[in-house]
Amino acid sequence: SQQGEEDPQALSIQEGENATMNCSYKTSINNLQWYRQNSGRGLVHLILIRSNEREKHSGRLRVTLDTSKKSSSLLITASRAADTASYFCVPGGGSNYKLTFGKGTLLTVNP
Amino acid sequence: DAGVTQSPTHLIKTRGQQVTLRCSPKSGHDTVSWYQQALGQGPQFIFQYYEEEERQRGNFPDRFSGHQFPNYSSELNVNALLLGDSALYLCASSRAGVSYNEQFFGPGTRLTVL
Repeated sequence: SQQGEEDPQALSIQEGENATMNCSYKTSINNLQWYRQNSGRGLVHLILIRSNEREKHSGRLRVTLDTSKKSSSLLITASRAADTASYFCVPGGGSNYKLTFGKGTLLTVNP
Repeated sequence: DAGVTQSPTHLIKTRGQQVTLRCSPKSGHDTVSWYQQALGQGPQFIFQYYEEEERQRGNFPDRFSGHQFPNYSSELNVNALLLGDSALYLCASSRAGVSYNEQFFGPGTRLTVL
């Protein structure tokens, strides 16, 4: 499996603002997952988007996938202090094997 | 429904010692993966166990070994500890046969090697 590259490496915003994180990958995928890691709740799966989907929503999260550009974005709307965490994208090949993580985007939401 | 549990939470060892970390998967899951996460980095895959066999292994030396028990729980053993083994060790569980690879992570064991 391949590693996603998150951009930016760090992002600092005010509570209530929207946060956008981007992910790029190198080879074709079957799906792409986003995970969040904070000190309180550990590493948690947020959302999965399949290669035949262009956009997916889950609560305040919106994920897009552009397979032609080999990129994905994660938008968090109306950010809260509790959204402070590292966010990782994980390109997937469909088999139930390893996940390959990049360095992630460190999001800080200031109250 | 308990999620993935790991023990111990924290551990301090000295160089050259051996350590065993334990993991119980989420109910209904039969596959366990282990990851090492150094400070400021993303988790790195160590290996995955399914049906009590190591199914896939990452780029880690033989000092890292594991085991899966019939109840699907798992252990990670690290021999001849090095300072560089200090990290957060995460266990993740999943269910074989699903079409995508969502893994559920435990809270981790923080290992410090002095």
